[in-house]
Formats: sequence, C-alpha cells, structure tokens
Amino acid sequence: QSVLTQPPSASGTPGQRVTISCSGSSSNIGSNTVNWYQQLPGTAPKLLIYSNNQRPSGVPDRFSGSKSGTSASLAISGLQSEDEADYYCAAWDDSLNGMFGGGTKLTVL
Amino acid sequence: EVQLVQSGAEVKKPGESLKISCKGSGYSFTSYWIGWVRQMPGKGLEWMGIIYPGDSDTRYSPSFQGQVTISADKSISTAYLQWSSLKASDTAMYYCARLIAAAGNAWFDPWGQGTLVTVSS
Repeated sequence: QSVLTQPPSASGTPGQRVTISCSGSSSNIGSNTVNWYQQLPGTAPKLLIYSNNQRPSGVPDRFSGSKSGTSASLAISGLQSEDEADYYCAAWDDSLNGMFGGGTKLTVL
Repeated sequence: EVQLVQSGAEVKKPGESLKISCKGSGYSFTSYWIGWVRQMPGKGLEWMGIIYPGDSDTRYSPSFQGQVTISADKSISTAYLQWSSLKASDTAMYYCARLIAAAGNAWFDPWGQGTLVTVSS
C-alpha cells in the first residue's frame, strides 16, 4: 500500500486530454514538491515532470503537472499511442524519505 | 552524456549473497546522490535508499533498512547494492538513478537500465 495514492488505471482515445491524480498528506505532498515519471513497457522509468510543473528538456509540452494542497495531477493533452505507459508520482516526506505512488497504467484506446 | 550503466542480470539461490553495480559517467560522480529503486514483477516502484559517493553518507527507506547495503567506490564512479542472504522475495528489477537536488526538491534523472535479480531454488 503506497503512501501516495494513484488510480490504478486510466484511458483515453487519441487526441483526448487525460489526467492522473496523486493524493498524499500534509507531511509529503502538502509540504514538498511532486515529481512524475513515465515508464514505457519494458523500459526503465524516465523523468517526466519535476518540481510540480517543470518539464525536462525533450519532454513535449503536451505533458503538464500541477499541485494543490495535498494532491497533484499529471495532465496529458493530445493523447498519442506512444503515451501508453505506467505513470508514477513521487515526493519526499518531512523526514527526507522518498516515496512513489502505486502507479497508473494509461491505455490509449 | 550523463549515463548510468548497471551490471547484468543475476540468477541466485536463496541464502546466497549478491552485489550489483551501477557505474556513472559524463558527470561528477562525487557531487550527486545515487538512489536505488526496486520493482517487483508486475508491481510499482519502491524507494530503497540513497548514497552520496563524495562521503558515503547513506540513507535507507525504513522498509529496506537492515535488508540491503548500499555502498559506493568513488575511485571508479560506481555505486553498489548488496545482499548478504537472498530470499525468493528479493526477485525483482533493481534500478539505480542519479538524484538531482535543487530549490528544496530532488528528483531522479537519469536512470540506469535496470538489473534483473532472480532468486530461485
């Protein structure tokens, strides 16, 4: 059972906008920033969003992140087939322990 | 190019010891924390711990404290994850990743390709 709660699955059709939520508490998301990772099938995770809403170089602007209170969200607009992957939120708690959400499997229908 | 290259897949028996490695290149290895992450078959990511190769300061997740040992040899830019007595439940993919810290946050980038550890009698 992960401390950060994500829906196990999400889906959308090409071109749609989908959002994935990540719920935490005052001791993790509520007081620290959130990062998101994308794991394509059979590959290592890759940084997608850091510091709530910052995109690393090379990540398309179709991906965006936000945070409000003890929850965060990842939004993907203009959904493409290659976006089919597992997505993980991550944060730190006040004791500097790292943690991941349980992951959300995104299916492009 | 910043790169982390991990050692190859391992097949071990319960009770055996194991040390897997993660070699960094393309950056100052002693200036960034390195983390280890477990992914059991069909499951999510689990934060295991981190090490600062500059002085070997190490932090473990409470879930992994006492179960594994994280170390580093800065002379060869390599971090390690070690078990003294493997269990079948240690079967998983293990990733290393560089930890970037800035403005009160820290994130893993890049990640190694992963090392698959299989423990079976």
